[in-house]
Amino acid sequence: DAKTTQPNSMESNEEEPVHLPCNHSTISGTDYIHWYRQLPSQGPEYVIHGLTSNVNNRMASLAIAEDRKSSTLILHRATLRDAAVYYCILRDAPWAGGTSYGKLTFGQGTILTVHP
Amino acid sequence: ETGVTQSPTHLIKTRGQQVTLRCSSQSGHNTVSWYQQALGQGPQFIFQYYREEENGRGNFPPRFSGLQFPNYSSELNVNALELDDSALYLCASSRRQGGASYNEQFFGPGTRLTVL
Repeated sequence: DAKTTQPNSMESNEEEPVHLPCNHSTISGTDYIHWYRQLPSQGPEYVIHGLTSNVNNRMASLAIAEDRKSSTLILHRATLRDAAVYYCILRDAPWAGGTSYGKLTFGQGTILTVHP
Repeated sequence: ETGVTQSPTHLIKTRGQQVTLRCSSQSGHNTVSWYQQALGQGPQFIFQYYREEENGRGNFPPRFSGLQFPNYSSELNVNALELDDSALYLCASSRRQGGASYNEQFFGPGTRLTVL
């Protein structure tokens, strides 16, 4: 599985934007970039995913570098509820075949602390 | 819409015992994945079930086994428990159709297993 590299921790102030980086220099052409987050005492939850183009949803934006070797998750206005561990994950495209359609390979993630 | 539920919430076992953990998938989902999360680590993929068969497995020994039932609920069984099996066990469900997977996985809150 292609690996991702994230900072161990980041801090932000409430209502400020947060940019969480992720490096994935060995990404393959069929890998999608997914972000999940895990709030304290909860299971992970899906945040966003993309392939090549930048993506936006109600939770966040995903900016993908042109060479796809890095990406950035953007929280436009951090709230205290956004304090969590954020995981950047590469995942085979569903049409790429293989036997682990549902497999998510989690790394250590980035611990985001949001200060009031 | 009912989310992913897991039971029990907490469990204490002794070394050498066997344990069964249960997961009810989200309505409309037909695929279940199981993950093990040790303290301070990201979740590790154990295996996935689709159409009542194991469909992909991570680096876990055969004493980790599972079942998926016709209603898509699932069980994780662990035999001959070891101290290192102490962890949070997460279940995730997703919807797979026509050979392709929908990308979003929905996680339950997990079962905290302690092996003494």
